[in-house]
Amino acid sequence: QKEVEQNSGPLSVPEGAIASLNCTYSDRVSQSFFWYRQYSGKSPELIMSIYSNGDKEDGRFTAQLNKASQYVSLLIRDSQPSDSATYLCAVRTDQGGSEKLVFGKGTKLTVNP
Amino acid sequence: GAVVSQHPSRVICKSGTSVKIECRSLDFQATTMFWYRQFPKQSLMLMATSNEGSKATYEQGVEKDKFLINHASLTLSTLTVTSAHPEDSSFYICSAWGWGGTDTQYFGPGTRLTVL
Repeated sequence: QKEVEQNSGPLSVPEGAIASLNCTYSDRVSQSFFWYRQYSGKSPELIMSIYSNGDKEDGRFTAQLNKASQYVSLLIRDSQPSDSATYLCAVRTDQGGSEKLVFGKGTKLTVNP
Repeated sequence: GAVVSQHPSRVICKSGTSVKIECRSLDFQATTMFWYRQFPKQSLMLMATSNEGSKATYEQGVEKDKFLINHASLTLSTLTVTSAHPEDSSFYICSAWGWGGTDTQYFGPGTRLTVL
């Protein structure tokens, strides 16, 4: 069974700080990695996708990928209370001949004003 | 990004009745859609993969006769919860790969089902 692991948290940071979210995955051949944000009672929304080793920046968000270590992370700079949500790491993988996303259980982030 | 809609957003029904949830891709064609379920404070659970023009593929432990999936067109998949019971009360979310072969999955807004 291909797995994605995240620290469940909760992770609490003060407003303006950097929030760091981590994820490891088991499928060595995976090439596509995603971070979703899910507010309470809402469906997940895509924040970032990353496909190559290194960093990818989009506004206050930076995704980092290290395929050798099978590790993906998301940094949120200048954290805002509106960033408080559960962050889901997802890996595209082939299971049983069909492509699907495997999700981690999510890390709950709270940004304190 | 691609837009996926769901209807209804909320439904309350009596135990023993059937409920149909629709999932539509609004600006693209989706040969494959996915149905997830999420209980309060728990993680997303993939229930099944819906394939246009063929049978759905169900995840282990999901009853295919209870959760009927129909993907009759390239823009519509339906999930019918048959003979619903209170333990089926949950948040049901569909998703689809975006258009043009992109490997990004976009989610619908979800349907909250409450079975009395």
